[in-house]
Amino acid sequence: NAGVTQTPKFRILKIGQSMTLQCTQDMNHNYMYWYRQDPGMGLKLIYYSVGAGITDKGEVPNGYNVSRSTTEDFPLRLELAAPSQTSVYFCASSTGTANSPLHFGNGTRLTVT
Amino acid sequence: DAKTTQPPSMDCAEGRAANLPCNHSTISGNEYVYWYRQIHSQGPQYIIHGLKNNETNEMASLIITEDRKSSTLILPHATLRDTAVYYCIVLSYNTNAGKSTFGDGTTLTVKP
Repeated sequence: NAGVTQTPKFRILKIGQSMTLQCTQDMNHNYMYWYRQDPGMGLKLIYYSVGAGITDKGEVPNGYNVSRSTTEDFPLRLELAAPSQTSVYFCASSTGTANSPLHFGNGTRLTVT
Repeated sequence: DAKTTQPPSMDCAEGRAANLPCNHSTISGNEYVYWYRQIHSQGPQYIIHGLKNNETNEMASLIITEDRKSSTLILPHATLRDTAVYYCIVLSYNTNAGKSTFGDGTTLTVKP
């Protein structure tokens, strides 16, 4: 049981390039989330999904897109990378029941130069 | 904005209890209090959660005030490995799909 797996661990992008951050979970969780964490700060919610085919915006969605075609996968897409998107990105999942914690991956560290 | 308020930093002597406070004065009736910690830049690790009763597990204890406006995470015998950033969040799946914003947390430093 691997939990929440994020790839890649590190990436450097040039301004204007695009990339997809991958997130997969093997716990059959319906709810999945993408957060970003800037240096010395807390986590901010980018997008979330309550099930396959359903996604919605979080607090800071601008510059990002997501899709949820399967229960297991929740990729995050950056179309035109900007220096402001330099951050550590965390994916999380949950069963969505009242008593369930979020399970986090180990993050993707992205630098845009 | 985060719905919780925590002190930015605390120190604790190794072997002593660490008591980390959190204010969540605007918590609603169906929101749970969750505590996580983050070591270096790893993914946040779940510690404990509660609704209104005090809770204890193998890692920590959670004390929630009767009015639910604040809580305290207790690490009973802190070790050097407990040095981390601790986050207190509130969330509900019923009304808010589990969405939450993590504030800046409390940096706990355990000293020998």
